[in-house]
Amino acid sequence: KQEVTQIPAALSVPEGENLVLNCSFTDSAIYNLQWFRQDPGKGLTSLLLIQSSQREQTSGRLNASLDKSSGRSTLYIAASQPGDSATYLCADFTGNQFYFGTGTSLTVIP
Amino acid sequence: NAGVTQTPKFQVLKTGQSMTLQCAQDMNHEYMSWYRQDPGMGLRLIHYSVGAGITDQGEVPNGYNVSRSTTEDFPLRLLSAAPSQTSVYFCASSAGLENSPLHFGNGTRLTVT
Repeated sequence: KQEVTQIPAALSVPEGENLVLNCSFTDSAIYNLQWFRQDPGKGLTSLLLIQSSQREQTSGRLNASLDKSSGRSTLYIAASQPGDSATYLCADFTGNQFYFGTGTSLTVIP
Repeated sequence: NAGVTQTPKFQVLKTGQSMTLQCAQDMNHEYMSWYRQDPGMGLRLIHYSVGAGITDQGEVPNGYNVSRSTTEDFPLRLLSAAPSQTSVYFCASSAGLENSPLHFGNGTRLTVT
C-alpha cells in the first residue's frame, strides 16, 4: 500500500520568504504526483501536476519537482504572500487510486 | 462551469439513519471518487469508479455503498449511520489519464449524533 508523508505538518514564515514543502512516497510506480491547496472549510484545488516522466512543473511563483527514484516531491513557493496561507497536500495516482499526504499547514505572516 | 457539485453542504443524522450524499460532474470524467477527511488523518479513499457501471472499494469502504449508473453521477450511500462516520466528505473526478488533474467538490460536513 502506497504511503505518502508530508513534512513539516505546519510552517510559519514571514512574508517574502522563499519556502519548500516536502512530500515523500513509498511506491515509485506512480502515474502522476499532484499538489493541492486547501483553504479552511473548502475543497481542494489542484495547483500542479507532474507526470511520471517529468521532473518538474512551474506555475507562476510555484515550482514542483519529482524524483521517483528517491520517492520525493517538493513544492517551492517563491516570495511568499499572506494569501498563500493555506494547507498544501500532495497526492500520487497509483493503481487507479490517489494517495494523499496529511498536508502542511502554511502561515505567511505579513 | 459547475465542475464537481456536492449536495448537501451540511447534514446531521441520528445513529442508525441512512442517507445519500450526491455528487455530479459536468466534465465528462470517467474517474470519480469519494473521500473522507478527518483531522490528522488526511484524505482517505472510500470508493471509486473508473466508468459507468464500474465501482471498487478504497481504503475505508465499510458502511458505505456506491453506484455509477451514469458518467455524471456518483452518489454515496450511508446504510446505517454511526458516530464514527462524522467527517467531511469530498467527491472528486478526473479524466483518469496521466496528465489529468483531480477536481474536487466543496464537501459535505456530516455529523452523526
